Amino acid sequence: AQSVTQLDSHVSVSEGTPVLLRCNYSSSYSPSLFWYVQHPNKGLQLLLKYTSAATLVKGINGFEAEFKKSETSFHLTKPSAHMSDAAEYFCVVSDRSGYSTLTFGKGTMLLVSP
Amino acid sequence: DAGITQSPRYKITETGRQVTLMCHQTWSHSYMFWYRQDLGHGLRLIYYSAAADITDKGEVPDGYVVSRSKTENFPLTLESATRSQTSVYFCATSSASSYNEQFFGPGTRLTVL
Repeated sequence: AQSVTQLDSHVSVSEGTPVLLRCNYSSSYSPSLFWYVQHPNKGLQLLLKYTSAATLVKGINGFEAEFKKSETSFHLTKPSAHMSDAAEYFCVVSDRSGYSTLTFGKGTMLLVSP
Repeated sequence: DAGITQSPRYKITETGRQVTLMCHQTWSHSYMFWYRQDLGHGLRLIYYSAAADITDKGEVPDGYVVSRSKTENFPLTLESATRSQTSVYFCATSSASSYNEQFFGPGTRLTVL
């Protein structure tokens, strides 16, 4: 069984300040982990993915995430927020043993103020 | 390269009516998925398909029917729409070699009155 918990439903930051979106996961097997972003009235876009290589994963638009097995976490960070980062972010887990469907977190809305 | 398209993008219907949402992909990906997105629930899997003529239930399949006679199409039918099926529906695809990485369509916003 697999599950994912996004610890904050909303995060507010000022433009130019760091972003931290928190995600904890549970998985019976070695997991694949993803972050997706959804801008208003748009589909989901893959930001980055972890599949077993380097634990620090770099994605698009300056985002990165670190896989920490001991903490079962996969937090998303960005050093400096931009207004265009305002969107909803989803942490997603999938078991890597054979084919497995994705399990989505409930999402974190990132608000960026000038 | 259209990738993945969904139609219609917006639909309003009445309770009890049959509605079909279309999903079409140009990548020849083996896997296709239907999700619904509701406030406070994230995305929940309705049905998925590993190949033509192979489909399986997801987390919330009740009230929905799918078929996949061709690799590129994966229609989702609400046989008798209910108000609780008001939602945004997303289709997604993934390849057999990278089956855990999914690509999403733009979504269909369905309102059932």
